[in-house]
Amino acid sequence: ETGVTQSPTHLIKTRGQQVTLRCSSQSGHNTVSWYQQALGQGPQFIFQYYREEENGRGNFPPRFSGLQFPNYSSELNVNALELDDSALYLCASSLFAGSGTEAFFGQGTRLTVV
Amino acid sequence: ELKVEQNPLFLSMQEGKNYTIYCNYSTTSDRLYWYRQDPGKSLESLFVLLSNGAVKQEGRLMASLDTKARLSTLHITAAVHDLSATYFCAVVVASGTYKYIFGTGTRLKVLA
Repeated sequence: ETGVTQSPTHLIKTRGQQVTLRCSSQSGHNTVSWYQQALGQGPQFIFQYYREEENGRGNFPPRFSGLQFPNYSSELNVNALELDDSALYLCASSLFAGSGTEAFFGQGTRLTVV
Repeated sequence: ELKVEQNPLFLSMQEGKNYTIYCNYSTTSDRLYWYRQDPGKSLESLFVLLSNGAVKQEGRLMASLDTKARLSTLHITAAVHDLSATYFCAVVVASGTYKYIFGTGTRLKVLA
């Protein structure tokens, strides 16, 4: 059974650019959630994907968007990068079971915007 | 607004001492998680607490949950340097989707 994997592990982008982060969910999991963790803070929920549809969104602007593919892997896209987008981005996969099951986190992607 | 607050935010303690980290949350939830995070690393799951009065223990760490008080505690017994890390509690909320609301984190430093 493979765990949650994210790529790349580190990334440096310039303000105004666009970035795509990738996440492969754990085997058997059909739900992927994305979190942003700014330095010194707890992770904040960005959005969740279930069966290739967005299934809930946190307080993030539309320039944060995502996709989920038929194999349940997912992408997080951020357009028009701002300096405050610098953070650790965590992907979590789970089996959507109605009442909520434990989500397993990937190792994260460290994004630095300069 | 949903809030999950931890205290203290920073904790420096001597090896061998005991201490408790508190996690207060402002909404009802049917589960609460504790995580450990080392610098630059992802989240390591420590405990999941599913019901009122739940208590879990692993090594020098013990977590408990009081859903009526909306309070969870993480108790550290006879701290060792290897426990130095940031600890987060996270409450699962269902508002259209099941998402984790994380606490502010407690940065623990155990001094040898």
